[in-house]
Amino acid sequence: DQQVKQNSPSLSVQEGRISILNCDYTNSMFDYFLWYKKYPAEGPTFLISISSIKDKNEDGRFTVFLNKSAKHLSLHIVPSQPGDSAVYFCAALLQTGANNLFFGTGTRLTVIP
Amino acid sequence: DAGITQSPRYKITETGRQVTLMCHQTWSHSYMFWYRQDLGHGLRLIYYSAAADITDKGEVPDGYVVSRSKTENFPLTLESATRSQTSVYFCASRQGTDQPQHFGDGTRLSIL
Repeated sequence: DQQVKQNSPSLSVQEGRISILNCDYTNSMFDYFLWYKKYPAEGPTFLISISSIKDKNEDGRFTVFLNKSAKHLSLHIVPSQPGDSAVYFCAALLQTGANNLFFGTGTRLTVIP
Repeated sequence: DAGITQSPRYKITETGRQVTLMCHQTWSHSYMFWYRQDLGHGLRLIYYSAAADITDKGEVPDGYVVSRSKTENFPLTLESATRSQTSVYFCASRQGTDQPQHFGDGTRLSIL
């Protein structure tokens, strides 16, 4: 059963506007949540993370929000740029064990110039 | 250059053939992983390794074999390729259990 879900396979946003990518999870024991960004013909690259004890983490144009009671996190990109067009994977991490990172299915973001 | 490299980047083969995908990392990371990416499934873990000579199955291990005789290398072998194994394969590594994973650029494998 998928422990991390991204229910929107795609999202289109105008350049300069806000992009909001959503992610839901089922396991309340996750310690960290991460977002990865993937361009075509490249591997995923780490973008930003948040600890389960925080509700917000900001890095430049990227902010991740965590709502533990709803088991929901979101990635906000403001302002969106055409170079942000990529597939974004949400992932959740348990801080024990080797096989402890669980990925969502990804959301393809298209930023329209 | 330091990093994680996969080879080949593209491979076409026929059903029943054996094919090996290579993964090499220069960071001396303890943990290494193999994923496949398929439409609608995201990244699914095939096998992982916590250290040299220690490997374990992930979510979708059937039809695959791995080995890790050296820390820096983690080859993935399809012993008898099937069409359902057509996919993009990503290798990843990380140092600790709470560190982000670093991915290679992938191998696109087509099985005819």
